[in-house]
Amino acid sequence: GAVVSQHPSWVICKSGTSVKIECRSLDFQATTMFWYRQFPKQSLMLMATSNEGSKATYEQGVEKDKFLINHASLTLSTLTVTSAHPEDSSFYICSARDKGQGATEAFFGQGTRLTVV
Amino acid sequence: LAKTTQPISMDSYEGQEVNITCSHNNIATNDYITWYQQFPSQGPRFIIQGYKTKVTNEVASLFIPADRKSSTLSLPRVSLSDTAVYYCLVERGGATNKLIFGTGTLLAVQP
Repeated sequence: GAVVSQHPSWVICKSGTSVKIECRSLDFQATTMFWYRQFPKQSLMLMATSNEGSKATYEQGVEKDKFLINHASLTLSTLTVTSAHPEDSSFYICSARDKGQGATEAFFGQGTRLTVV
Repeated sequence: LAKTTQPISMDSYEGQEVNITCSHNNIATNDYITWYQQFPSQGPRFIIQGYKTKVTNEVASLFIPADRKSSTLSLPRVSLSDTAVYYCLVERGGATNKLIFGTGTLLAVQP
């Protein structure tokens, strides 16, 4: 089946630094990818929709200048957490669907555990 | 998108059949019902999707009544490895349509 891969799986960074998370669709093209954040014992919260070749669409309450999204190709989207602070520590997950398909399953990356110290 | 409501948690024992019901009273004509499974520290994984009546695959069955205002995920003969959070989603389908997750149901399978 189709695979979405995230890198890194986990990262620890110092407060004030920036962290980049990559999301790749390995065997299909995705014009749209989605970024989620999940805090412990909570559900996934959609942060933004990443659109290939255009600006990302952010959900209400998500700071676009803090969570920079770039979708430069049909197989790669990146999320950069800028000036990270401890409250940004969370589990970040991306997902995508094959652009050639209709109502089918979404594929999720394995997630990235971000810890800001 | 229609809001979904499902039990916060359920308990079961190995070998039992588990049925998790989800209500989605405001489902629209173009909406599909999809269930995902998530293990701790992993991304969700697709289980099954349906539009109406019954759908069955190698891991689960999905029952959808005629009014489509609810759906039931049925897991036959669960094992310890089925302990996970199960999410019911209502979605429009299509590669560009976003998925909104509800609270999910934490299924705990005991020996």
